[in-house]
Amino acid sequence: ETGVTQTPRHLVMGMTNKKSLKCEQHLGHNAMYWYKQSAKKPLELMFVYSLEERVENNSVPSRFSPECPNSSHLFLHLHTLQPEDSALYLCASSQAQGWNTGELFFGEGSRLTVL
Amino acid sequence: AQKITQTQPGMFVQEKEAVTLDCTYDTSDPSYGLFWYKQPSSGEMIFLIYQGSYDQQNATEGRYSLNFQKARKSANLVISASQLGDSAMYFCAMSADPGSGTYKYIFGTGTRLKVLA
Repeated sequence: ETGVTQTPRHLVMGMTNKKSLKCEQHLGHNAMYWYKQSAKKPLELMFVYSLEERVENNSVPSRFSPECPNSSHLFLHLHTLQPEDSALYLCASSQAQGWNTGELFFGEGSRLTVL
Repeated sequence: AQKITQTQPGMFVQEKEAVTLDCTYDTSDPSYGLFWYKQPSSGEMIFLIYQGSYDQQNATEGRYSLNFQKARKSANLVISASQLGDSAMYFCAMSADPGSGTYKYIFGTGTRLKVLA
């Protein structure tokens, strides 16, 4: 198993659909992250979970709803998205120690297209 | 506010030559980490190298080295002996915990490197 696995790799959805992105890490890390990567923009941190508790919600619209049922799994539930939400969604994990978040280990991303 | 700046949107380098990718940062936190990541066209972000704010020596990992100049707040990535497989986007990133238990981890806009045969 690779370190961080994301499914699906590609997703096309209409604005009224409900879908979910899944992320699984096999590294025993204690923190998991969702990032959004749009063209010509820096990676945007969306959510951070530390030990299954959400510690960061970076002013993300409520149409994105994260879920972390355990330390190995992270979901991003999508509902009534807008075309501008089309982007690459990257999941990452790290072993945070004190102030140091540690290096991030990323999945290959889920390319989302909203029609 | 914390910020990462990468001023080179694109760079070219001849195969087997060295190349420096620039990164400057801004933070008021005394403790922070600086990272470089590589993103090939496949999309996956690959960790390359890490430098802690208290590290006295510049970090090195194989062909990668980080030129850390704390007073200038710069953390440039040097790739020696470039290979065709080095063609990718490169992101500089910084992590800092202001002590509130949150995980601040920000990225620059990236530099696209093209290695020429």
